[in-house]
Amino acid sequence: DAGVIQSPRHEVTEMGQEVTLRCKPISGHDYLFWYRQTMMRGLELLIYFNNNVPIDDSGMPEDRFSAKMPNASFSTLKIQPSEPRDSAVYFCASRPDGADTQYFGPGTRLTVL
Amino acid sequence: AQSVTQLDSQVPVFEEAPVELRCNYSSSVSVYLFWYVQYPNQGLQLLLKYLSGSTLVKGINGFEAEFNKSQTSFHLRKPSVHISDTAEYFCAVRGYGGATNKLIFGTGTLLAVQP
Repeated sequence: DAGVIQSPRHEVTEMGQEVTLRCKPISGHDYLFWYRQTMMRGLELLIYFNNNVPIDDSGMPEDRFSAKMPNASFSTLKIQPSEPRDSAVYFCASRPDGADTQYFGPGTRLTVL
Repeated sequence: AQSVTQLDSQVPVFEEAPVELRCNYSSSVSVYLFWYVQYPNQGLQLLLKYLSGSTLVKGINGFEAEFNKSQTSFHLRKPSVHISDTAEYFCAVRGYGGATNKLIFGTGTLLAVQP
């Protein structure tokens, strides 16, 4: 299995631009999680999905952030408009229903200038 | 709700020395406990986990951890570290028995192994 796939691996953009991060979970995994990692705040859960349905988005920082999962093999995290304080590494993770271990992707390093 | 505290942000150690990375948690319900490792520029990888049963759990790369319910701790240990163990280590907790699927992570401990 290829594991969780994220793209792009690196993204540099200017303040005010729209940013879209992509994630392909492991096939057969029912849960998908989006995390943000910063030096200041550590690893934070932003939102998670179960069977493509958003279950808990309480970690989404503000309305500029949105996430979708149109099908079982694809999810996006969008920031519009982006701000310098959004600079971070964004991780996607997935796990099967009933399992306790999450499998993480390699992350997307976002830099907003 | 659950929380995790990793008091040591960085632990320097010489190669072949023993190491302990500390983790304490807080929870109003029973928990599952995890240690994840993050090598530079990579995602997180599961090192070991405690779900139930024996309080001493063994993981990959020679690491082990002991669950201590009375002290609400789950410290990670290795008797002899290698240069390749240099990485960031995250303790995480997940409550069970309730409607939660969230993993709550600590702030991480950077293990810096020196020759």
